[in-house]
This record gives sequence, C-alpha cells and structure tokens, in this order.
Amino acid sequence: AQKVTQAQTEISVVEKEDVTLDCVYETRDTTYYLFWYKQPPSGELVFLIRRNSFDEQNEISGRYSWNFQKSTSSFNFTITASQVVDSAVYFCALRYSGGYNKLIFGAGTRLAVHP
Amino acid sequence: EAQVTQNPRYLITVTGKKLTVTCSQNMNHEYMSWYRQDPGLGLRQIYYSMNVEVTDKGDVPEGYKVSRKEKRNFPLILESPSPNQTSLYFCASSLAASYNEQFFGPGTRLTVL
Repeated sequence: AQKVTQAQTEISVVEKEDVTLDCVYETRDTTYYLFWYKQPPSGELVFLIRRNSFDEQNEISGRYSWNFQKSTSSFNFTITASQVVDSAVYFCALRYSGGYNKLIFGAGTRLAVHP
Repeated sequence: EAQVTQNPRYLITVTGKKLTVTCSQNMNHEYMSWYRQDPGLGLRQIYYSMNVEVTDKGDVPEGYKVSRKEKRNFPLILESPSPNQTSLYFCASSLAASYNEQFFGPGTRLTVL
C-alpha cells in the first residue's frame, strides 16, 4: 500500500526558532518521487521540492532544508530561523511510478510561527 | 503566464442542484487531475485524465463525473451534490511522466447545503 504519514498535526513556534516537519512514507515501488507543498492561509498550493528515490542527497534552499533517508522511509523538512511568513499548512506527498501520476498526500502539518 | 485556472472560486449551492467546476491549463499538459481537500485527510484524488478522452477514477470518485474533450480543459461535474461533497477542490496538471511536478489551480471552495 502507498501511504504518507505526517504525524504532527500542528506545530507552534516562536519566530527565529528552527522547526522540523516529519514525513514518513510507505511504498513497494523502487521508483518513486517525494514532494513537499506549502499551503499558505490564502489557500493555494505552492510546490517546494521534488526528490526521486534514487537521490538521497539532502537539499538546502535558503532557510529550507530536506533530509531524505530511505532506510527510515522519511523525508523531513526543516525550516531554520522561522519567520511569520512561514505560517502555513505543509503537505508531504508521494508519487509512485505505477500510480498514473497520482499524488498521495499526507494529512498535512499546520505550522504557526508567532512573533 | 503558465497557470491552471478554476471557476468558480467559491460556490454555495443546495442539495441536488447540478453544478460544474471548470478547470483549464495553458501549459499543454497531458495529465490533469481533480483532488478534494478535507481537514485531517489531506488531498485525495477524485478523477484523473492521462490525455484527451482518457479518464479514470481516483480514490474518491463517487458522486462526481469528468470529461476531457480538449487537452486544456477538465471540468468536474456534480450531478446531484450532497452535503458530504462540501470541500475544497483543486485541479492539477502536469506533463505525463511521473517525475514531473503537478501545477495546482487556486482551489474552489464548495458548500452544499
């Protein structure tokens, strides 16, 4: 079965704190892709990153970084020095090669960053 | 500008009154899909289309219909809406291969009374 679990429903931090959003996935496919999307209060879905199953290199983009570990089936997302503008719901998603491009989303983690 | 558009953005309707939510993309994408977002459940796929005249069910297709007569358009039809279809709906499109990111429309918030 294909599944994405985001165990953290809500996280609340104070500005400038670092925060990690957890994502655990399940799939039997050897070829798959993992994504993170951000949904700000305005409601749209903003693509943040894509990772394929053959590339376990971590990635950093400004204050954002992602840690992909196949051994633990995790694809965690860290925001360094969080800002109020980071307040949003964050979704982790899985796309597997046999799934006709379907994205399987986790339930999302709501991040609130307070001044 | 490359984009996916949806209309209407907000809709309040009553049980049983047929409605259509339109979706259009200008990126010549083969693949299009509809998702619904509900609290605590993330987004779930309703229907998808791999190309013109090729559509198939996703995980939650009951109560919905789709059609793909043109590559750019993928309307979602609710023939007889019910309150349990109150949700936030997203249309998405991408190139065919599975590694491509999906581009999402702005969402349609539907309330069925």
